[in-house]
Amino acid sequence: GENVEQHPSTLSVQEGDSAVIKCTYSDSASNYFPWYKQELGKRPQLIIDIRSNVGEKKDQRIAVTLNKTAKHFSLHITETQPEDSAVYFCAARDADGLTFGKGTHLIIQP
Amino acid sequence: DTGVSQDPRHKITKRGQNVTFRCDPISEHNRLYWYRQTLGQGPEFLTYFQNEAQLEKSRLLSDRFSAERPKGSFSTLEIQRTEQGDSAMYLCASSSDRRAGELFFGEGSRLTVL
Repeated sequence: GENVEQHPSTLSVQEGDSAVIKCTYSDSASNYFPWYKQELGKRPQLIIDIRSNVGEKKDQRIAVTLNKTAKHFSLHITETQPEDSAVYFCAARDADGLTFGKGTHLIIQP
Repeated sequence: DTGVSQDPRHKITKRGQNVTFRCDPISEHNRLYWYRQTLGQGPEFLTYFQNEAQLEKSRLLSDRFSAERPKGSFSTLEIQRTEQGDSAMYLCASSSDRRAGELFFGEGSRLTVL
């Protein structure tokens, strides 16, 4: 089955700086890579996704890049704001469904 | 329909008791998933339904766990003879066939086994 590794587990950045979270996956058949944001005590919510036929996707301050050859994908958040503080999960979909990474706790320092 | 709803939100039980959680997915979604999440971890896949058919089950789902979706709408997850290691947040999610990977999660049912 799929194995997703996510780094770092905790990331602290100054407000206004950029944040980058990286994930690797093991199953070359995986073809869909979503990112979820989970605030404390809340449900995970999809913030952006990318399919295997695309190398990069942007939505305002967030972007995701995918390198299928290396089997890794990354989340980029620019101009970070206090409301970006949360746990972020990457995931990869293979035939069995979505496999999640262990999460990155993003802390935005004022 | 405002989203995926789960009930109860919190359940405290004694070891050895049975518990049942209910999930009502978004009405037009025919795919329904159960995940388990413990503190500091990502959601772990338990099982998946397409309409009323249970198509996938994780090896994490021991024989004490059973899930049903009898009419292809709501689903129940039952845990028999609960153990302290079952303490976790149980998340339900649903998706459509057209956008199968885009999961909409419920708020979860937090289980504490004493």
